[in-house]
Amino acid sequence: DAKTTQPPSMDCAEGRAANLPCNHSTISGNEYVYWYRQIHSQGPQYIIHGLKNNETNEMASLIITEDRKSSTLILPHATLRDTAVYYCIVRARGGATNKLIFGTGTLLAVQP
Amino acid sequence: SAVISQKPSRDICQRGTSLTIQCQVDSQVTMMFWYRQQPGQSLTLIATANQGSEATYESGFVIDKFPISRPNLTFSTLTVSNMSPEDSSIYLCSALGGEGTAQYFGPGTRLTVL
Repeated sequence: DAKTTQPPSMDCAEGRAANLPCNHSTISGNEYVYWYRQIHSQGPQYIIHGLKNNETNEMASLIITEDRKSSTLILPHATLRDTAVYYCIVRARGGATNKLIFGTGTLLAVQP
Repeated sequence: SAVISQKPSRDICQRGTSLTIQCQVDSQVTMMFWYRQQPGQSLTLIATANQGSEATYESGFVIDKFPISRPNLTFSTLTVSNMSPEDSSIYLCSALGGEGTAQYFGPGTRLTVL
């Protein structure tokens, strides 16, 4: 079973920041937080991952709370092409638990 | 990042037949996976394809229905056997490189069973 909770849908205005929340209150010390997105009819696309520090790359920023029980994915300037289902997943880094288990995700609709 | 291709990209098949989906990765990877995405649903892990040994199946999936091969570190196949309309889904291949790398996905194979 997925170990994360996300809102089923969110709207965001084009050009504004999109902040997608994720709760993972049962996360273990060796589990990372991963974010993927799936644009309609395509395979999931890796966005970013982190353990406990905030992370930033060319696509997004990941903010993880100090207790690691929740995180927020930030798309700084959302465009229409960012409309997708966003999945927050926790996974241990090594061994037999190297499986990505998808929940239901958040459908982000970027509005013009 | 690993680039993953799948063949075919889509197919329409008759009930009772079988279809083999191929997955090719452009670099050697440590682990490969197969997922299914039924219409309007999230992704469900079918199995982990192990190189040189039998695949590891998740609960609800069996080898007779979804035989998997992984002859080397860059290639895997998934067969959907004795198909029924309930098997109509998108089947996705995924690969994980070494420590510290992300897991990447292929574009998927859209299967329709009539």
